[in-house]
Amino acid sequence: KAGVTQTPRYLIKTRGQQVTLSCSPISGHRSVSWYQQTPGQGLQFLFEYFSETQRNKGNFPGRFSGRQFSNSRSEMNVSTLELGDSALYLCASSRTDSSNQPQHFGDGTRLSIL
Amino acid sequence: KQEVTQIPAALSVPEGENLVLNCSFTDSAIYNLQWFRQDPGKGLTSLLLIQSSQREQTSGRLNASLDKSSGRSTLYIAASQPGDSATYLCAVPGSGGSYIPTFGRGTSLIVHP
Repeated sequence: KAGVTQTPRYLIKTRGQQVTLSCSPISGHRSVSWYQQTPGQGLQFLFEYFSETQRNKGNFPGRFSGRQFSNSRSEMNVSTLELGDSALYLCASSRTDSSNQPQHFGDGTRLSIL
Repeated sequence: KQEVTQIPAALSVPEGENLVLNCSFTDSAIYNLQWFRQDPGKGLTSLLLIQSSQREQTSGRLNASLDKSSGRSTLYIAASQPGDSATYLCAVPGSGGSYIPTFGRGTSLIVHP
């Protein structure tokens, strides 16, 4: 059974650009969550999608957005990139409501902003 | 606001030792608590999920306990091996009907031969 797949694995952008990250959940999983991990702030929750609807949102500016498609695949977009957006972005999937199900993580996309 | 603290931040031990990693949280109204391990440059691997109604969960050499009233969980690793070297994180979902998980900063573990 394939795990959570995130693409691309590495990405280098410059300030002001925008970026789109992709996440394919485990087959049969309907919930997808996104996290940002940095040495300074640790792991922080961005948002969660379930059945194409955003269920929860963390404390991030509106430059961070996401969506989920009917096949449960999800994308995350960051516009007007800033140096502080450099981080490991992790995606996790769970079978249903992630509040009571184990989450399964991908290996992340490492985003570097120059 | 939920806060999660993990102690110690780092640990270096010889192979074969039994280990205890600690996780504490400020809001005891949690649905569950999950322990993860993270290898360098990788995502998180789920180790154990303890429901709020449970006291402990076991998987192989790992045992996790949960004491909601005191806001604490411990991860016990028996007979540690070099392959256990990783960062261990605990996470709790939000309270009040909204799931926004809070993660601890992790315990970085090195088990040397």
